[in-house]
Amino acid sequence: RKEVEQDPGPFNVPEGATVAFNCTYSNSASQSFFWYRQDCRKEPKLLMSVYSSGNEDGRFTAQLNRASQYISLLIRDSKLSDSATYLCVVNGNLGDFGNEKLTFGTGTRLTIIP
Amino acid sequence: GAGVSQSPSNKVTEKGKDVELRCDPISGHTALYWYRQRLGQGLEFLIYFQGNSAPDKSGLPSDRFSAERTGESVSTLTIQRTQQEDSAVYLCASSLAMQEFNYGYTFGSGTRLTVV
Repeated sequence: RKEVEQDPGPFNVPEGATVAFNCTYSNSASQSFFWYRQDCRKEPKLLMSVYSSGNEDGRFTAQLNRASQYISLLIRDSKLSDSATYLCVVNGNLGDFGNEKLTFGTGTRLTIIP
Repeated sequence: GAGVSQSPSNKVTEKGKDVELRCDPISGHTALYWYRQRLGQGLEFLIYFQGNSAPDKSGLPSDRFSAERTGESVSTLTIQRTQQEDSAVYLCASSLAMQEFNYGYTFGSGTRLTVV
């Protein structure tokens, strides 16, 4: 089983719609969770952290389910500019120094259609 | 600096030549990471450094790959005797690595390596 698994998509969604992505992780001891966004031929950029109680940032909502070991990202009122690949990120391998090493999923590709 | 700086941004090299890629992390970030991303693929972990501790080299694909970092400053990734399968974007990231909490990484814009 991969450390972090995502549906690769692509998701083609009309502008204004709501879209949700899920991601599962294998290490039950993981403590840090993130969603990153990567535009075509650009570096990944941090979109938001995911907290145990769930958190919201404008049109974006992230949820964590520790019991089932999955995290989700919900995008409401989608915009053309939301088209990108969304990477699920977890500190799946705690390494020797604590929780700082992150494992990236392969990403879910989203295209917003006008 | 304000962000993670990588150089060169693009590099075309002939098969069999050595290349050196440079990463300048955000000032004060103790942890530095190298990843590789082939076209259309996910991020592949290569190596990471935390302060003056021994680096985690578990992701290096072969002994042709090596990396160095002095203290908490610049890192160089060296690929010897390059092969065509080494063609990829090499991404560097840095972070405020802490045992208790992870603040996430900040990535540089990468070096696009093409081996011809």
